Amino acid sequence: DGGITQSPKYLFRKEGQNVTLSCEQNLNHDAMYWYRQDPGQGLRLIYYSQIVNDFQKGDIAEGYSVSREKKESFPLTVTSAQKNPTAFYLCASRPRGGANTGELFFGEGSRLTVL
Amino acid sequence: SQQGEEDPQALSIQEGENATMNCSYKTSINNLQWYRQNSGRGLVHLILIRSNEREKHSGRLRVTLDTSKKSSSLLITASRAADTASYFCAHSGSARQLTFGSGTQLTVLP
Repeated sequence: DGGITQSPKYLFRKEGQNVTLSCEQNLNHDAMYWYRQDPGQGLRLIYYSQIVNDFQKGDIAEGYSVSREKKESFPLTVTSAQKNPTAFYLCASRPRGGANTGELFFGEGSRLTVL
Repeated sequence: SQQGEEDPQALSIQEGENATMNCSYKTSINNLQWYRQNSGRGLVHLILIRSNEREKHSGRLRVTLDTSKKSSSLLITASRAADTASYFCAHSGSARQLTFGSGTQLTVLP
């Protein structure tokens, strides 16, 4: 079945370590997004990509990095520069980008805990 | 981008009752969407209403949009225990991305 797969579902990290969260989609969508969700709060946009080999910073990009080498994949690296990385991370995709933004399709999320 | 605000933050009702959640935003929009999130899971799209629409229905869901007041409401009729979840509104304007509200936690008691 088509969908978005995020891995790992749970991840523990020591302070000072970089970690990479995987996001793969087989929906043939052009646009992909990474959001961060803190307890009891809404989603905040970290990075997004409208097409392969191109991406833009969202509202809270500091301490994060991404790549978009393939249409299907949009990994997120949480670097040691991110001061408060413990959160729930959600990846999403959309058939294409553009101003008339339509429905987002979400993965099941990755919960990162810094020890 | 500025997040929208949702009201109430939490809502607890009995099964069979209707649940109403409200969302306000600050910018002009192209459309407004509602999503549902079960605890610890991803978000699932429920319904999209365009800026030139005032009301839309989908099954037990009814969404209204008042662009003059920059607000929307989501009504779930005849609620069920399985409707227990967080509900988020998200709006899109000139930016090529959605801005999400802070969510309403709905609990439906059996």
